[in-house]
Amino acid sequence: QSALTQPPSVSGSPGQSVTVSCSGTSSDVGRYNRVSWYQQAPGTAPRVIIYDVSNRPSGVPDRFSGSKSGNTASLTISGLQAEDEADYYCNSYTSSSTYVFGTGTKVTVL
Amino acid sequence: QLQLQESGPGLVKPSETLSLTCTVSGGSISSNSDYWGWLRQPPGKGLDWIGCIYYTGSTYYNPSLKSRVTISLDTSKNQFSLRLSSVTAADTAVYYCARHPPYFGSGKYDYWGLGTLVTVSS
Repeated sequence: QSALTQPPSVSGSPGQSVTVSCSGTSSDVGRYNRVSWYQQAPGTAPRVIIYDVSNRPSGVPDRFSGSKSGNTASLTISGLQAEDEADYYCNSYTSSSTYVFGTGTKVTVL
Repeated sequence: QLQLQESGPGLVKPSETLSLTCTVSGGSISSNSDYWGWLRQPPGKGLDWIGCIYYTGSTYYNPSLKSRVTISLDTSKNQFSLRLSSVTAADTAVYYCARHPPYFGSGKYDYWGLGTLVTVSS
């Protein structure tokens, strides 16, 4: 299974919205509504911020939202804040009953 | 509050077997229908899913690692373990253990250990 494709970096000013894309195939992203997103600050373990495409675990701010269209999933951060600067990874369930991660995107707050 | 902690050698020689243990506290690994997983991250690179084990003992592995990986449970110690055989420098990474609540497929690894760096070198 090949890693899902994400842009290496995206950036935005405080208060703006940014979107991170996650491109897969009909065997993973496109097959199920089972995409999750992780936020990872430097030197820390990843933290799940979206699961099942658009669900937020308790405690995750509602400025984080997820969506999917075809083989591409997206994470949108609305009202970007300095604390949102981190690496973001998408993850998808696959037709082989396994998981595959995306290549990762560094979000920079200008 | 559930807590997970990885332990094991930080240095493994090429061609040998990497063995790590995850100790779970604040909850039982043999109840609640949870899945217990291993993930890794090579230095400066992205996340890689290694596999997981269901509380019943059923396992799921990354196809690219399947021939070298074994994940097992020790319910008496509330631990689960990872064994990765025939390691090379490409297996150098921070290894994380994590919990995945029901159902498998949501991608919701909600509790993680701090991670442990394993270096493969002679």
